Amino acid sequence: AQKITQTQPGMFVQEKEAVTLDCTYDTSDQSYGLFWYKQPSSGEMIFLIYQGSYDEQNATEGRYSLNFQKARKSANLVISASQLGDSAMYFCAMREFRSNDYKLSFGAGTTVTVRA
Amino acid sequence: DVKVTQSSRYLVKRTGEKVFLECVQDMDHENMFWYRQDPGLGLRLIYFSYDVKMKEKGDIPEGYSVSREKKERFSLILESASTNQTSMYLCASRGPLNSPLHFGNGTRLTVT
Repeated sequence: AQKITQTQPGMFVQEKEAVTLDCTYDTSDQSYGLFWYKQPSSGEMIFLIYQGSYDEQNATEGRYSLNFQKARKSANLVISASQLGDSAMYFCAMREFRSNDYKLSFGAGTTVTVRA
Repeated sequence: DVKVTQSSRYLVKRTGEKVFLECVQDMDHENMFWYRQDPGLGLRLIYFSYDVKMKEKGDIPEGYSVSREKKERFSLILESASTNQTSMYLCASRGPLNSPLHFGNGTRLTVT
């Protein structure tokens, strides 16, 4: 079964606007971590933000914030004030600390294109 | 800053060849990983290693093997390359449990 689902293959966003990338996950573990990565066209994977399942507050890192809704098992990434350099593929990933300690499971990714 | 270096950016090999993909990290990380990335499938784990000479199969180990003789180096081996192994291969390392993976720049392998 798919552990991480990203339903948006591609999105367009106007420069300076905010964009939300959807991510839902499936786990029976109580303890897990959620990660978002950015992959520009150059290919490197860049870590953006982390949310632990027991974290009370939504994670934020600069223009990135994670809208964590535990009951819905969703961990959407919000990018505020989009810039042209935000054009990239974005991956949501999960690590289950009890059942699957070492493994990071990735979604299929969402391609974001920022328009000037 | 963590550096994960993959020896080749692009590689073209023939069907049946033995292929070695090398990965080196400089942060003394215990854990190292090999993923392959295909469009629409995201990243899928091939093998990982949590210590020298230790290895564990990931989700898609068939057709691959790995070697970890030294802590800093994790090699992916395609024993007999096939066209369905044409893909982007990403190596990663990780420190403590809650920390993120640090990735290399990837190797785009084409098997003809």
